[in-house]
Amino acid sequence: AQRVTQPEKLLSVFKGAPVELKCNYSYSGSPELFWYVQYSRQRLQLLLRHISRESIKGFTADLNKGETSFHLKKPFAQEEDSAMYYCAPSRRTSNTGKLIFGQGTTLQVKP
Amino acid sequence: KAGVTQTPRYLIKTRGQQVTLSCSPISGHRSVSWYQQTPGQGLQFLFEYFSETQRNKGNFPGRFSGRQFSNSRSEMNVSTLELGDSALYLCASRSSPGTGQAGELFFGEGSRLTVL
Repeated sequence: AQRVTQPEKLLSVFKGAPVELKCNYSYSGSPELFWYVQYSRQRLQLLLRHISRESIKGFTADLNKGETSFHLKKPFAQEEDSAMYYCAPSRRTSNTGKLIFGQGTTLQVKP
Repeated sequence: KAGVTQTPRYLIKTRGQQVTLSCSPISGHRSVSWYQQTPGQGLQFLFEYFSETQRNKGNFPGRFSGRQFSNSRSEMNVSTLELGDSALYLCASRSSPGTGQAGELFFGEGSRLTVL
């Protein structure tokens, strides 16, 4: 079964502290992994995807196929990072608008 | 380009009624997906349409249906509303392969449905 687990509903850190939002997945085949973010009163939007291997707003995410994890990391959290973060795998072999979203983790960065 | 537009933004219905929600994708996007967002279940995939054809369907009862028009605009319909259908319904559009943004979903602001 396709499943995504984000074990933390809420992650609260102080500004400048490192952040790691965990994501574990169970997905047949080799999925493409995404992190989506929803800032307060804004639309859900793509933050980054594993295939791009890029850093967006200081965030990176490494796909660990052995552990089936795709944790999102940032070395120094900023207050503007406070938002809801969703991990989502998608079938890689074809373009699809079907994503399996995790329950989401609310990141709260305190001043 | 204008973003994904959903109407209405808010609506209140009573049990047993039906509702139709509308979504206009980003110009040039031919794929439209629908998601239901609730505090308890999170984001759940409803269905996806591409070129007026349903490509994928989630695990929702047949009361949930959708369609897509030739201009890529999409509607979803929920019949015989139940209290548990209260949710934020999100629409997302996606560009075609080879454009550099393939796979990225662009979401609307959602239609918040309250069933009394």
